[in-house]
Amino acid sequence: GAVVSQHPSWVICKSGTSVKIECRSLDFQATTMFWYRQFPKQSLMLMATSNEGSKATYEQGVEKDKFLINHASLTLSTLTVTSAHPEDSSFYICSARDATGELFFGEGSRLTVL
Amino acid sequence: QKEVEQNSGPLSVPEGAIASLNCTYSDRGSQSFFWYRQYSGKSPELIMFIYSNGDKEDGRFTAQLNKASQYVSLLIRDSQPSDSATYLCAVNSSPFGNEKLTFGTGTRLTIIP
Repeated sequence: GAVVSQHPSWVICKSGTSVKIECRSLDFQATTMFWYRQFPKQSLMLMATSNEGSKATYEQGVEKDKFLINHASLTLSTLTVTSAHPEDSSFYICSARDATGELFFGEGSRLTVL
Repeated sequence: QKEVEQNSGPLSVPEGAIASLNCTYSDRGSQSFFWYRQYSGKSPELIMFIYSNGDKEDGRFTAQLNKASQYVSLLIRDSQPSDSATYLCAVNSSPFGNEKLTFGTGTRLTIIP
């Protein structure tokens, strides 16, 4: 089946620094990718929809200047958490749709901000 | 606001028994419904999806949808310890695929050997 890879799988950073997370569709092209955030014992919350070659569409309450999304190619979307703070510590998950419409999730990236 | 409600559990079921997971949703215009399994610290993996009222069976799993009651369930027959996980119900209001899913908070299922 289709594979979506995320990197890094975990990252620890100091408060105030920026962190970039990559999401790649390894064996299919994805015009649309999605970024979710999941806090402990909570469900996935959609942050934004990443569209190849255009600006991302952010969900209400998600700061676009803090969570920068770039979808430069059909197989790669990146999420950059700028000026990270401890409250940004979370499990970030991306997903991508293949040509059949099925959604595949990446392995997730656990961010800890000290 | 679109909401998806699940009992957080934990739900404990003896090995070999049937596990029943329930989900209700608020948006009557919802078109497609998904069940995902998520192991601790891992990302979700799709188990089943259902679009039409009634039952849909896939191996040990059966999804049931009742749009009039805004209710979707997942039955797991012959439960195995490896089925222990959190099960997420997700709903999509778009008629085209699963673009913007709204997830429930998940039900934690434990299969007791």
